[in-house]
Amino acid sequence: GQNIDQPTEMTATEGAIVQINCTYQTSGFNGLFWYQQHAGEAPTFLSYNVLDGLEEKGRFSSFLSRSKGYSYLLLKELQMKDSASYLCAVDRGSTLGRLYFGRGTQLTVWP
Amino acid sequence: ETGVTQTPRHLVMGMTNKKSLKCEQHLGHNAMYWYKQSAKKPLELMFVYNFKEQTENNSVPSRFSPECPNSSHLFLHLHTLQPEDSALYLCASSPMKTSTEQYFGPGTRLTVT
Repeated sequence: GQNIDQPTEMTATEGAIVQINCTYQTSGFNGLFWYQQHAGEAPTFLSYNVLDGLEEKGRFSSFLSRSKGYSYLLLKELQMKDSASYLCAVDRGSTLGRLYFGRGTQLTVWP
Repeated sequence: ETGVTQTPRHLVMGMTNKKSLKCEQHLGHNAMYWYKQSAKKPLELMFVYNFKEQTENNSVPSRFSPECPNSSHLFLHLHTLQPEDSALYLCASSPMKTSTEQYFGPGTRLTVT
């Protein structure tokens, strides 16, 4: 089966930096996505990595190491509104549009 | 209206009822998806439609029946559900190409009593 692991919960304070890790073991790899989901709302796209390295987008950055089966999402200058679930998803490239999701990491940002 | 919309947002149904969930996307995408999101579990893909054709059925029980009349609309028909089917059902759409982000609707919170 496909295995995508991420921590269940994390907490941090406003203004801090937090790193959410995701490790994966999948048969095939065609990219990794991060989504943000606020309680009761739709998941929204944050980032996509297919090559090794760091992709920066404002306060959010995402890193990928394909050889290690590892990614992280880095959130800087945390704000209260960043409290949400962060979902890691892998595209195996097997079927168009088929994504395999982790269970999500619930981040709580305290004042 | 823009993005992906879903109706109803909340649904309570008995095990003998028949109901339908509706999804509509206004993004010009050709691929649409149904996902199930249960507490403490990964987001679980149920069905994929590309250009109105079903390309994936992820071993979903027959009490869930999808319908895709055109590239903008997707339905999920429900009948004789079980309490364990209670979950958030999310619809998503994307362009029909590899490695592209999916756009999710707000979901239907389903409770089966």
